[in-house]
Amino acid sequence: DSGVTQTPKHLITATGQRVTLRCSPRSGDLSVYWYQQSLDQGLQFLIQYYNGEERAKGNILERFSAQQFPDLHSELNLSSLELGDSALYFCASSVVAGTDTQYFGPGTRLTVL
Amino acid sequence: QKEVEQDPGPLSVPEGAIVSLNCTYSNSAFQYFMWYRQYSRKGPELLMYTYSSGNKEDGRFTAQVDKSSKYISLFIRDSQPSDSATYLCAMSGPSNTGGFKTIFGAGTRLFVKA
Repeated sequence: DSGVTQTPKHLITATGQRVTLRCSPRSGDLSVYWYQQSLDQGLQFLIQYYNGEERAKGNILERFSAQQFPDLHSELNLSSLELGDSALYFCASSVVAGTDTQYFGPGTRLTVL
Repeated sequence: QKEVEQDPGPLSVPEGAIVSLNCTYSNSAFQYFMWYRQYSRKGPELLMYTYSSGNKEDGRFTAQVDKSSKYISLFIRDSQPSDSATYLCAMSGPSNTGGFKTIFGAGTRLFVKA
């Protein structure tokens, strides 16, 4: 158990809908990262927050957004969902930002029908 | 060209074999190099973390970084069926937008046969 929690574990929804994925980092970690993993794309970095502020952006679509709250938990919002958004979404956390070890949560499996 | 290249395998070896997993990269700014293990689409877990060139050993695992060749390796000695998993290399370095970015390889699927 990495200490990073993600909810829900599974999510099934329809195209065009909006969903919110939630992540709680390890106690003491200030940085949160979001990744998407699909079968044909591997692990893709989406976005990183550090102590409430956006720190780095990867291949995140404009339909996706995220935020980190004062209690350091983070939410990833996915809107206007498409079939191709079906994937595992992982959250990771680290103490500071970028150069230190990232600990991954168990992931949320999103299925868009 | 991808920033990080990793052969997806699968790689199948008999129990007890020495396994060699490799990644190449193109961005010379990468400074931190990691290997993660991922079981059955669960969250990746960190195996090895190294800074700059050199070797690092932890039990049956040895990580090597050759920055001059932009090549990193993970060796697993006395491989066990429980080592069967996907192994992802990852690298961190400065991003164009400030801060640091981490890029993951595609992962190599390893099967260790009993």
